[in-house]
Amino acid sequence: QQQVKQSPQSLIVQKGGIPIINCAYENTAFDYFPWYQQFPGKGPALLIAIRPDVSEKKEGRFTISFNKSAKQFSLHIMDSQPGDSATYFCAARGSYKLIFGSGTRLLVRP
Amino acid sequence: DAGVIQSPRHEVTEMGQEVTLRCKPISGHDYLFWYRQTMMRGLELLIYFNNNVPIDDSGMPEDRFSAKMPNASFSTLKIQPSEPRDSAVYFCASSLGPPGGTGELFFGEGSRLTVL
Repeated sequence: QQQVKQSPQSLIVQKGGIPIINCAYENTAFDYFPWYQQFPGKGPALLIAIRPDVSEKKEGRFTISFNKSAKQFSLHIMDSQPGDSATYFCAARGSYKLIFGSGTRLLVRP
Repeated sequence: DAGVIQSPRHEVTEMGQEVTLRCKPISGHDYLFWYRQTMMRGLELLIYFNNNVPIDDSGMPEDRFSAKMPNASFSTLKIQPSEPRDSAVYFCASSLGPPGGTGELFFGEGSRLTVL
């Protein structure tokens, strides 16, 4: 119940494409759903986050879609750029701690 | 502003040796988390502290692992004795308030541990 399942494990898109990364959870007590971006040799950094009372949130080229009934949420990157190549983690908060998905390695080809 | 500072950045040791990883959280932050990252298991939460008090250590893999936070500006994660399967990147993170509440979770750059 404490798990967050993330897919795909890796993703390759062309510049300008729209990569989509999906996450699913079981624990309905989770109340905050962030996405983190990690570049090689660096720690993860907060990219965008959503709460379960909202179905969509956009920040620049990044959009979270949230489906409370299905217990799923996803990250869309519009007009992806080579600089977006990184590992992306979804997470969910329960009991004041963040539980992370397994990560998606995204490569955006020029 | 200095972020979360971890040391050492890289550690190579032999099986059976004691390893100590160090973390200085962002000044004023009251929550501190230790995570471990591996290819197989992703980012796993090991333990977290609130106001220097350990709150949840259910992620600590076994008794060989211990963590302390003697004051608001310093924490250690110790592995004794170390084993090859402990090889991973260990991250420390801190937040002002619980992450997602009043606070954003900020990560350090990690300590890459290799146990031979």
